[in-house]
Amino acid sequence: EDQVTQSPEALRLQEGESSSLNCSYTVSGLRGLFWYRQDPGKGPEFLFTLYSAGEEKEKERLKATLTKKESFLHITAPKPEDSATYLCAVQVTGFQKLVFGTGTRLLVSP
Amino acid sequence: NAGVMQNPRHLVRRRGQEARLRCSPMKGHSHVYWYRQLPEEGLKFMVYLQKENIIDESGMPKERFSAEFPKEGPSILRIQQVVRGDSAAYFCASSLLRDRGSKNIQYFGAGTRLSVL
Repeated sequence: EDQVTQSPEALRLQEGESSSLNCSYTVSGLRGLFWYRQDPGKGPEFLFTLYSAGEEKEKERLKATLTKKESFLHITAPKPEDSATYLCAVQVTGFQKLVFGTGTRLLVSP
Repeated sequence: NAGVMQNPRHLVRRRGQEARLRCSPMKGHSHVYWYRQLPEEGLKFMVYLQKENIIDESGMPKERFSAEFPKEGPSILRIQQVVRGDSAAYFCASSLLRDRGSKNIQYFGAGTRLSVL
C-alpha cells in the first residue's frame, strides 16, 4: 500500500531558527512528490513539485529536496508568517490522485 | 485569474438530508479532484473527473456519495442521507493536464466545511 509519513507532527521554532521537515514515502512507483502549505480554514497552497531523486527546488526561505525514500523541506531563518501546516503528497505512477501525509504543524514565534 | 471556487464555504445539514457541494475549476482546467479532510486526519482522495466522465472513484464510499462534472457548469459532489460521520472539510482541486510535469499540478479551492447535526 502506498504510504506517506511526515515528521515531526508539530514543530515550534524561534524566529530565525532554521530546521527541516521530513516526508518519507513508500510507493510502487513515484510519479511526483508535492509540498503544500495549509493555513487554518483554508485550502492547501502549492509550493513545490519534485520528480527525480537528487532534485531540489527553492522559494524564498524554503528549499525542498528529494531522495529515493524521502523528501525534506528545509526552512532557513523562518519568520512568524511561515507558521502553517506543511503537507507532503505523492503521486503514484499510473494514477492522478495524490496520497497525502498528515502534515507537520509549524509554529514560528517572534 | 480566479482560482478554484467552491461553494458554499460552510454547509449545515441535519441527519438524513442531502448535501450538494459545488466546485468550479480554474479557467482552462478540465481535470477535477475531490478530497475529504476529517478532523485530525490527512486529506483523503475521493474521486477524479474529467468533463462528463468519472476517471477514478476508488476513494468514494460505496453508498450515498456521487460526483459529476457536466459539460457545462461546476462539478458537484452529492451526499445523500447525511450522517454525523460525514462532517468534514471537502476540498476540490483542478489541474490543466494529466501528463507528468508542471501542468499536472493540482490547485486547491478553499473547501466546503460540512457540519451534520
